[in-house]
Amino acid sequence: QITLKESGPTLVKPTQTLTLTCTFSGFSLSTSEVAVSWIRQTPGKALEWLALIHWDDRERYSPSLQNRLTITKDTSKNQVVLIMTNMDPVDTATYYCAHRISYYGLDLWGQGTTVTVSS
Amino acid sequence: DIQMTQPPSTLSASVGDRVTITCRASQNINRYLAWYQQKPGKAPKLLISKASSLESGVPSRFGGSGSGTEFTLTITSLQPDDSATYYCQQYNSYPWTFGQGTKVEIK
Repeated sequence: QITLKESGPTLVKPTQTLTLTCTFSGFSLSTSEVAVSWIRQTPGKALEWLALIHWDDRERYSPSLQNRLTITKDTSKNQVVLIMTNMDPVDTATYYCAHRISYYGLDLWGQGTTVTVSS
Repeated sequence: DIQMTQPPSTLSASVGDRVTITCRASQNINRYLAWYQQKPGKAPKLLISKASSLESGVPSRFGGSGSGTEFTLTITSLQPDDSATYYCQQYNSYPWTFGQGTKVEIK
């Protein structure tokens, strides 16, 4: 059974750096064709794809946020970490991580973690 | 970026109705289109990949079709549990993008 769970701060101040951790079980991120992605959902309910890391360490980022994002994986800990710098109130959202097999959609999602950016 | 458009934003239908939700891409995405169902307070749930491939465990009343720039999600007989917001997502090219969602309400 595959599960994913996001963790991190619920409140950050503007200009601070956000670090989110996705801890998963039931699969290995060293298995061919497997990837983990981060997606966020704003209070208005729009979904925005942020970043993806593949089993072979290839990384992909949203161009609009690329200069602020870093995605890494720790296969031994079954974790994927997303770092977002220079946080702004518009980054207030629920952040999800999700599992994916190549050529398919995001088939399993974490429960999400809500991050508020406010001074 | 590829823009995904889902008209209308809200759809109201009765139990037993056939419901069709449309998703249009601003450019050709082949068949790399996924559909998700989201209920309040929950994460999105994948229903369909590759435009028409139903995920395991998803009721057979859900179906997807289309290719290129026009796609549809059909619920053949709407059930009360189908009240939710439905999103399409293209994964043909980065950055992946989502439609704005169609909220399905039960009359």
